[in-house]
Amino acid sequence: EAGVTQFPSHSVIEKGQTVTLRCDPISGHDNLYWYRRVMGKEIKFLLHFVKESKQDESGMPNNRFLAERTGGTYSTLKVQPAELEDSGVYFCASSQDNRNSPLHFGNGTRLTVT
Amino acid sequence: AQSVAQPEDQVNVAEGNPLTVKCTYSVSGNPYLFWYVQYPNRGLQFLLKYITGDNLVKGSYGFEAEFNKSQTSFHLKKPSALVSDSALYFCGQTGGGNKLTFGTGTQLKVEL
Repeated sequence: EAGVTQFPSHSVIEKGQTVTLRCDPISGHDNLYWYRRVMGKEIKFLLHFVKESKQDESGMPNNRFLAERTGGTYSTLKVQPAELEDSGVYFCASSQDNRNSPLHFGNGTRLTVT
Repeated sequence: AQSVAQPEDQVNVAEGNPLTVKCTYSVSGNPYLFWYVQYPNRGLQFLLKYITGDNLVKGSYGFEAEFNKSQTSFHLKKPSALVSDSALYFCGQTGGGNKLTFGTGTQLKVEL
């Protein structure tokens, strides 16, 4: 089966610009998660979709971040306007259920804000 | 709030020797504990998990982890390290569901 794919793999933007990250989960996985790792620190939960609905968005840093999952398939995470502290690696993961089943992670998008 | 501590930024071990990567977790009900591994430029891969039952959990690639409730630890172990085990290892905790709290990661370097 195809794994979780993320696009782009790298993005370098200037402070104040907008960036949109995309995640395609494994087909049939209703649960989709976004995580972020700021350099050298822990990986932090951002939010969780069940199909197209936001189940938990308690980890979203602020209102500059907007996640969507139209139609319950792929998801996008938009940062507008980007700030320096948004730099990091953004991981998407999917799973069949939300009952401690293993997460399948994408390779991540490395975002650098200059 | 839940927290996970990985006290070592890096662990070095010679190939063939046993390895241990340490993890301690915060006490919050019945913890569900996980280990994931990240190879360079790749996403995290699931290694093993502890939900309930035997304290010694066996996972992928010959890894195992021991749940120790009294010490609130979940150390990752392997009897004989391989150079190919060199990677970044993350310990994670959840109180249920897949909203994991991860540690800061431990870089494992296995040398010939």
